[in-house]
Amino acid sequence: SQELEQSPQSLIVQEGKNLTINCTSSKTLYGLYWYKQKYGEGLIFLMMLQKGGEEKSHEKITAKLDEKKQQSSLHITASQPSHAGIYLCGADRTSGTYKYIFGTGTRLKVLA
Amino acid sequence: DGGITQSPKYLFRKEGQNVTLSCEQNLNHDAMYWYRQDPGQGLRLIYYSQIVNDFQKGDIAEGYSVSREKKESFPLTVTSAQKNPTAFYLCASSPLLVRNTEAFFGQGTRLTVV
Repeated sequence: SQELEQSPQSLIVQEGKNLTINCTSSKTLYGLYWYKQKYGEGLIFLMMLQKGGEEKSHEKITAKLDEKKQQSSLHITASQPSHAGIYLCGADRTSGTYKYIFGTGTRLKVLA
Repeated sequence: DGGITQSPKYLFRKEGQNVTLSCEQNLNHDAMYWYRQDPGQGLRLIYYSQIVNDFQKGDIAEGYSVSREKKESFPLTVTSAQKNPTAFYLCASSPLLVRNTEAFFGQGTRLTVV
């Protein structure tokens, strides 16, 4: 079965530092989604990647999908306390009739 | 504003009770989903629906039931058969059940068994 593995599971950084979160799939990815979740709240859509080598940015967050479409990274530049939360990657299932699977999430804490 | 509304935000259930979680969307999306989130386990799919009056089991459907009588609404009932219902429940929707379209999520309902 298809699985998404995220690393690290948790991350604590000092404000202003850069950080990277990784998402690795056991199968080739079709659509790869990044979401952010504040504790006890719903998921907020950040970005979607489709093509191998694709890279997208929004404010200080950049997401990339590798050429083989099995790994994605989320990079935050000059982190701020507002970046704190849980980051989840999601993907379209490669088989079956229903859609999304999700990674276990990365908990990010930014120290002011 | 368009979006997905889940209610209530917090719900307490006694042993042996059935409870229903509400999910309403005004995004005109065809597909709707229910996920369960437990610490360290990510999101697991309970049920999904592509069209009105049709729904399919996800990975962990046992002890849950749903209905889709209206396009906008997809309520989830947690029955007494669900052995460990305490969790955070998330409802989502997407335009169609096709690839490369993101899902939109509600704010979640936290269910606790007392």
